[in-house]
Amino acid sequence: EAGVTQFPSHSVIEKGQTVTLRCDPISGHDNLYWYRRVMGKEIKFLLHFVKESKQDESGMPNNRFLAERTGGTYSTLKVQPAELEDSGVYFCASSPRPGGVNTGELFFGEGSRLTVL
Amino acid sequence: EDKVVQSPLSLVVHEGDTVTLNCSYEVTNFRSLLWYKQEKKAPTFLFMLTSSGIEKKSGRLSSILDKKELFSILNITATQTGDSAVYLCAVGRGSQGNLIFGKGTKLSVKP
Repeated sequence: EAGVTQFPSHSVIEKGQTVTLRCDPISGHDNLYWYRRVMGKEIKFLLHFVKESKQDESGMPNNRFLAERTGGTYSTLKVQPAELEDSGVYFCASSPRPGGVNTGELFFGEGSRLTVL
Repeated sequence: EDKVVQSPLSLVVHEGDTVTLNCSYEVTNFRSLLWYKQEKKAPTFLFMLTSSGIEKKSGRLSSILDKKELFSILNITATQTGDSAVYLCAVGRGSQGNLIFGKGTKLSVKP
């Protein structure tokens, strides 16, 4: 069974440009999460989808970030326009059930590293 | 503000040594504490702890939670080079809330 896959693995862009990160969760997992790790900091929650609906987007830093999950399958996270402080590793994770985050049933992708110059 | 603090941030040991990694937390609506191992890129699940004083064990790894003092430890005995990784502690809140992570402990095991 394929795990959570993320694309690209690394993206280098200039300040002001746009980047779109993609996440394909494990098939059948309705719950999809985006997390981010900025250098030197802890991994922080961005948002949670249940199917195509945003369940919790309290961690989204500002309106330059737009996450979508049309059709409830893969998700995209767009940063527009990118700023220097957006650099970091963006992790996607999926779970078969909402409470899975609390029981270890949360499966992470390898992350997409974003470098903004 | 909810937070999870791990110590040490970095640790270098030799094969065969025993290590203890620490995780303390201040979190509202605590649900569970989880340990993850991040070797290359994707964190992988190790343990979930919800009750105080009950040790979870998997091979050379074990972990225990103290809900009164709000901390957990992860022990690794007879360390091997393959144990080298970043160990992440995270706390779950509520029924389907997100996880609060610590910064992680980077463990390096030298031959």
